Amino acid sequence: GEDVEQSLFLSVREGDSSVINCTYTDSSSTYLYWYKQEPGAGLQLLTYIFSNMDMKQDQRLTVLLNKKDKHLSLRIADTQTGDSAIYFCAASSSNTGKLIFGQGTTLQVKP
Amino acid sequence: DAGITQSPRYKITETGRQVTLMCHQTWSHSYMFWYRQDLGHGLRLIYYSAAADITDKGEVPDGYVVSRSKTENFPLTLESATRSQTSVYFCASSDPGSWDGEQFFGPGTRLTVL
Repeated sequence: GEDVEQSLFLSVREGDSSVINCTYTDSSSTYLYWYKQEPGAGLQLLTYIFSNMDMKQDQRLTVLLNKKDKHLSLRIADTQTGDSAIYFCAASSSNTGKLIFGQGTTLQVKP
Repeated sequence: DAGITQSPRYKITETGRQVTLMCHQTWSHSYMFWYRQDLGHGLRLIYYSAAADITDKGEVPDGYVVSRSKTENFPLTLESATRSQTSVYFCASSDPGSWDGEQFFGPGTRLTVL
């Protein structure tokens, strides 16, 4: 079935850029998402990209999609300590309303 | 309160007991979902529901039961809790008519089975 993979941990210095990577298997996924989970909280949608786009920019966030390699990345510019959280990549599953989530990447931002 | 709520937020129970986790949303979203979050596994779908009285299994349904008699509620029952069901449980909802398919998450229930 559909699978979504992410690296588990990333540590950066405050002010640096962070890049979180994700791969997925279902080429029919219409939307790909990045969710953010802060400690003790539920997930909140950070940004998403439609499958016919290559890039989406939203303030400090840049999402890149390589459909050929089924690779998605999230770049956070000028990373702040408030960006420390778990970031989940998710792929939509064939018009079922379901999302398939990766394992989550813990982003640690050091001052 | 508007949005999606879960209760209880924390629960400790013993092996073999029945436990019900509640989920309530005020948006009248037709899709609702239950996930469990475990270290190293991310979020795994337990059950989902496309509408009232329509439910279907997700990736890890064994040991769980759901019902959906009303659109706004989607309770999850552990019929006989086991230690392996110790986890954080998240409920989510979405509107199939939305153009981006966003799922909205509740704050989670942390369940410990002793």
